[in-house]
Amino acid sequence: KNEVEQSPQNLTAQEGEFITINCSYSVGISALHWLQQHPGGGIVSLFMLSSGKKKHGRLIATINIQEKHSSLHITASHPRDSAVYICAVRWDTGNQFYFGTGTSLTVIP
Amino acid sequence: DTEVTQTPKHLVMGMTNKKSLKCEQHMGHRAMYWYKQKAKKPPELMFVYSYEKLSINESVPSRFSPECPNSSLLNLHLHALQPEDSALYLCASSQGVAYTEAFFGQGTRLTVV
Repeated sequence: KNEVEQSPQNLTAQEGEFITINCSYSVGISALHWLQQHPGGGIVSLFMLSSGKKKHGRLIATINIQEKHSSLHITASHPRDSAVYICAVRWDTGNQFYFGTGTSLTVIP
Repeated sequence: DTEVTQTPKHLVMGMTNKKSLKCEQHMGHRAMYWYKQKAKKPPELMFVYSYEKLSINESVPSRFSPECPNSSLLNLHLHALQPEDSALYLCASSQGVAYTEAFFGQGTRLTVV
């Protein structure tokens, strides 16, 4: 069964802390998205990765294709970063996206 | 314009009502998707349209009826829904089903009473 696993499920951090969220998947992929969803809200795509590393502001995403693993890092976290972060992958053989269970992040002032 | 626009944002409907959700994009994308998301769960795929033709139906009950009248528009017609169908319905699009980058709408929060 193709799977996408995220850790941790829940994360509470103090403002200013460096945060890491992990995503592991079971088979080959053509792309991986990191998505952000605020409570009751829609989904915003933060990054799409097929290799290497991307940076946007305080957010950094990395992917290791050989290890089937990706990480999302948030530097100098802020309360407005509080949201659910979701990893979504497109398998090599598929034409749809499969989602991880999400990581609920709360950043305390 | 890199937006996927969904309307309405919120919808409350009775079990005997008929309503429709709408999704629109003007990025020239030829693949469009409907997802259903229950609280604290990841989105689950419902339908995929490719070049205005239904290419995937994930065994969705017939009370949900998708329609793709043109390449920019995707509808989800709702009829005789159950309270357990209450969820956030998300639309997404990509350049084609083989393309890797997807764009997501803000969703329609549906409550069935």
